[in-house]
Amino acid sequence: AQSVTQLDSQVPVFEEAPVELRCNYSSSVSVYLFWYVQYPNQGLQLLLKYLSGSTLVKGINGFEAEFNKSQTSFHLRKPSVHISDTAEYFCAVSETLTGNQFYFGTGTSLTVIP
Amino acid sequence: EPEVTQTPSHQVTQMGQEVILRCVPISNHLYFYWYRQILGQKVEFLVSFYNNEISEKSEIFDDQFSVERPDGSNFTLKIRSTKLEDSAMYFCAITGTLPNEQFFGPGTRLTVL
Repeated sequence: AQSVTQLDSQVPVFEEAPVELRCNYSSSVSVYLFWYVQYPNQGLQLLLKYLSGSTLVKGINGFEAEFNKSQTSFHLRKPSVHISDTAEYFCAVSETLTGNQFYFGTGTSLTVIP
Repeated sequence: EPEVTQTPSHQVTQMGQEVILRCVPISNHLYFYWYRQILGQKVEFLVSFYNNEISEKSEIFDDQFSVERPDGSNFTLKIRSTKLEDSAMYFCAITGTLPNEQFFGPGTRLTVL
């Protein structure tokens, strides 16, 4: 079975500062990795994904993430955050072979302070 | 990016009542998923539906839940007799053009009183 750990439940950061949201996963099989963002009272929007190839993936809104297989991590980063980045961020994995369901982390609440 | 809408956006019901949550993809899809998110908790998989059949379901998806695609476009999740603990946000998801991509609808907030 797969599991996803997001160690930081809340991350406050000042506007224009860099941020890193951590995600570690556990899986006995090969997985795809995703980050979703959830703005208040909205659904889940795909930020970026790692399926194969370059381990550094770039997504929307200036976010990027790096897949590190040896450390089983997929941390999300942004060099300079905006107020509008305040949201809940979820890391998720799915198996490459079956891929039928996504396994989500518990989420990280990012609050950007003016 | 594929689009999917969900209705209603918010449903309030009494315990023991049946509810039907609807998911409407903008274009034709074969794979559908339902997830739920209890307030403050992570998003949990409920069921996947392919070609008019359940392909996978979690232990949460017990006998009180059912899914169907009644008219070839809408995809519904029915909860037969709601319990207080069914209060959650329910998300429908569809697959994209690439494997293992899932795009989520805006969700239905279900409140069971």
